[in-house]
Amino acid sequence: DTGVSQDPRHKITKRGQNVTFRCDPISEHNRLYWYRQTLGQGPEFLTYFQNEAQLEKSRLLSDRFSAERPKGSFSTLEIQRTEQGDSAMYLCASRSEERTADTQYFGPGTRLTVL
Amino acid sequence: QKEVEQNSGPLSVPEGAIASLNCTYSDRVSQSFFWYRQYSGKSPELIMSIYSNGDKEDGRFTAQLNKASQYVSLLIRDSQPSDSATYLCAVDGSYIPTFGRGTSLIVHP
Repeated sequence: DTGVSQDPRHKITKRGQNVTFRCDPISEHNRLYWYRQTLGQGPEFLTYFQNEAQLEKSRLLSDRFSAERPKGSFSTLEIQRTEQGDSAMYLCASRSEERTADTQYFGPGTRLTVL
Repeated sequence: QKEVEQNSGPLSVPEGAIASLNCTYSDRVSQSFFWYRQYSGKSPELIMSIYSNGDKEDGRFTAQLNKASQYVSLLIRDSQPSDSATYLCAVDGSYIPTFGRGTSLIVHP
């Protein structure tokens, strides 16, 4: 257990439905990342937050995806009007601030299946 | 376009041997380098991080970094069947890590 939790662990939905995932990072880490991973690929960056500010968003991310981190604590990732191509593992990662002790830990992931 | 290249494998080694995993990257300003282990169906698990040229050892694992050659490697000594997994290399210069596709390692008894 890395201290990063994600909920739900699995989500099955029908095409066109909206889904929301939650991530709770390690409490002292102020950077939080969302990634997407499909079979045979490495994690693909989606977006990241420093505290409550969303500092970067992948150009590959469609406007159906939105993320929030109110109060700089937990974060949510919402996918609207899901498509079958959204089926993937969605990973959250929590990262420390210090360069000299720079570590990024992943949560267990949320596996999304869009039917 | 920042790229991180890994041989997808599989790399097959006998139990007790040294497994050598390699990674090259394109972004010269990269400062942080990570190796993750990922078992099938699970999320990546951090094994090692390295920031300066040279070797860093942690138990059976040694990470090696050569910034001039833009090359980072992971050595696993005394490989065990439980080491069989995909190993991901991640490289970061701007707080947005780029991951390779991973190398599949198989340690056979």
